[in-house]
Amino acid sequence: QVQLVESGGGLVKPGGSLRLSCVASGFNFDIYYMIWIRQAPGKGLEWISYISSSGATIYYADSVKGRFTISRDNAKNSLYLHMNSLRVEDTAVYYCGREGPADHWGQGTLVTVSS
Amino acid sequence: QSVLTQSPSASGTVGQRVTISCSGGRSNIGTNYVYWYQQLPGTAPKLLIQRNDQRPSGVPDRFSGSKTGTSASLAISGLRSEDEADYYCASWDDSLSGVIFGGGTRLTV
Repeated sequence: QVQLVESGGGLVKPGGSLRLSCVASGFNFDIYYMIWIRQAPGKGLEWISYISSSGATIYYADSVKGRFTISRDNAKNSLYLHMNSLRVEDTAVYYCGREGPADHWGQGTLVTVSS
Repeated sequence: QSVLTQSPSASGTVGQRVTISCSGGRSNIGTNYVYWYQQLPGTAPKLLIQRNDQRPSGVPDRFSGSKTGTSASLAISGLRSEDEADYYCASWDDSLSGVIFGGGTRLTV
């Protein structure tokens, strides 16, 4: 069955960096586009980035543009989110999703940005 | 601020039918599919309805979706206590080139 497993979250200081990973299994990863979504504590869902199946097309939400970079390695069935210049308001659970809107989600990984 | 508009709350009693609405625009719901998710406390969102009105396997037929123009609705019939959760609508937005979500509706049973 389709499975998405995120990792890489943790506590980081403002201005710091973090790389999230999402490993996919149970489907042909290289033919699906993927997205990252986040949910701040007690808040709703926010889409933050999209990457096409080949990686050639990428989009970002304005809130993360210029600070976050999405990438993928189809040989490793993996999706990544490189996060730089982190802010307190980036604190959230980060989910990877297959397609967009997502038909499958991972369990999420918590990123806490605090001094 | 969410681009898709949902009422913040809804309520019903066991056995009742409730409807949750989602309002958007031409660049999102008017042009693209609507998806609905259920989120129980402390868990990841779960897909309830895809492509406006399609239930993934395993989702009870008590849940149904519809779309008209730039609005969509999720109906839950035969309400159960375990349906108490947050519900989100979502759609692709051609103007933003991204996914947009509604602000979520908290359903109390």
